[in-house]
Amino acid sequence: QVQLQESGPGLVKPSQTLSLTCTVSGGSISSGDYYWSWIRQPPGKGPEWIGYIQNSGSAYYNPSVKSRVTILVDTSKNQFSLKLTSVTAADTAVYFCAREGRYSYGTFDNWGQGTLVTVSS
Amino acid sequence: QSALTQPRSVSGSPGQSVTISCTGTNSDVGYYDYVSWFQQHPGKAPKLMVYDVHKRPSGVPRRFSGSKSGNTASLTISGLQAEDEAAYYCCSYAGRYTHVVFGGGTKLTVL
Repeated sequence: QVQLQESGPGLVKPSQTLSLTCTVSGGSISSGDYYWSWIRQPPGKGPEWIGYIQNSGSAYYNPSVKSRVTILVDTSKNQFSLKLTSVTAADTAVYFCAREGRYSYGTFDNWGQGTLVTVSS
Repeated sequence: QSALTQPRSVSGSPGQSVTISCTGTNSDVGYYDYVSWFQQHPGKAPKLMVYDVHKRPSGVPRRFSGSKSGNTASLTISGLQAEDEAAYYCCSYAGRYTHVVFGGGTKLTVL
């Protein structure tokens, strides 16, 4: 069974960069059958898709954050990462990494437990 | 404001059936047959319950069923059980550039 685990700081100051890593175990991130996504959920609200990366390294981002986000993959470590620059309080959320079926959009069948990131001085 | 509209809350007694609606547009729910539903208990990650409008992943009870008509998708839970009490979110593919959008969530209370 594939498992995903987020890691990174839980507190980021305004205007700084949020950095998170997702470690995948029990399966290879090099599988071409999946997209590897970051999704966030502000407290009390619905989820928001941030972006995904393929095993090839090609990444696609939500237009709402595209100018501030970078997702990278490290197949040697079976990890992918998220960087979000110039953060504000509006970026405070639980951040999840998730696996999505490449041929069935929205089929997020495996999620990490999530990590709360608070943007505050 | 979420892209997909869901009722804030629904409720039902054990054994009853409830239906949760998810309204989008003809650019997402109404155009693509890629609607999924997630169950989320407090403090936990979302769990996939339905995908491709009506398909169930292995291990999800048959009590959970999905459908779609026009720009509105629905999740029906029959034979309500106490453990079904949770928040439910819909998700739809919205094209190459937006990829997917989510609903704001519906809190299901089992009375």
